Amino acid sequence: NAGVTQTPKFQVLKTGQSMTLQCAQDMNHNSMYWYRQDPGMGLRLIYYSASEGTTDKGEVPNGYNVSRLNKREFSLRLESAAPSQTSVYFCASNADKYTDTQYFGPGTRLTVL
Amino acid sequence: GQQLNQSPQSMFIQEGEDVSMNCTSSSIFNTWLWYKQDPGEGPVLLIALYKAGELTSNGRLTAQFGITRKDSFLNISASIPSDVGIYFCAGRGSRLTFGEGTQLTVNP
Repeated sequence: NAGVTQTPKFQVLKTGQSMTLQCAQDMNHNSMYWYRQDPGMGLRLIYYSASEGTTDKGEVPNGYNVSRLNKREFSLRLESAAPSQTSVYFCASNADKYTDTQYFGPGTRLTVL
Repeated sequence: GQQLNQSPQSMFIQEGEDVSMNCTSSSIFNTWLWYKQDPGEGPVLLIALYKAGELTSNGRLTAQFGITRKDSFLNISASIPSDVGIYFCAGRGSRLTFGEGTQLTVNP
């Protein structure tokens, strides 16, 4: 039982490049989330998926797209990376959006040059 | 939008000391949560609070849901080196909002 896994762990991109961050959970959770963490800013919600087949914008969705591929997987895509997207990205999941215990992945450290 | 102010931003303490940190908000929250993030890892939930005035303990950790529903406190007693990390508060109103975090360093 791996919990929430994220790939890659580290990534360096040039401005304008695209990439997809992958997230998978093996806890049969309905809800999944993408956050970014910046120094002094806490965690900010980018997008979430309350259940398979649905996605909704969070606090900071601009420049990102998401896909809930199936119940297990929720990917985050940067179509044209910008230096402002340099951050640590966390995926999280919970049983449903009303459950407070979110389980977080180990994070992806992204640098955009 | 909803904002949380968490303080202090960082703390440097000696092993064995007690620690206090708090979060305040301009908005009322229905739930307060406290997370810990170890270096290189994702946050892990420590304590959840659901009622104004509630005081809950988890080992050496004690957290309180403020009476006004606009604040919460976390205390760590008799700190040990493995308490090192970033502690986040989070409040649930219309959505879950995280504080900026308190970086805790414990010197042996």
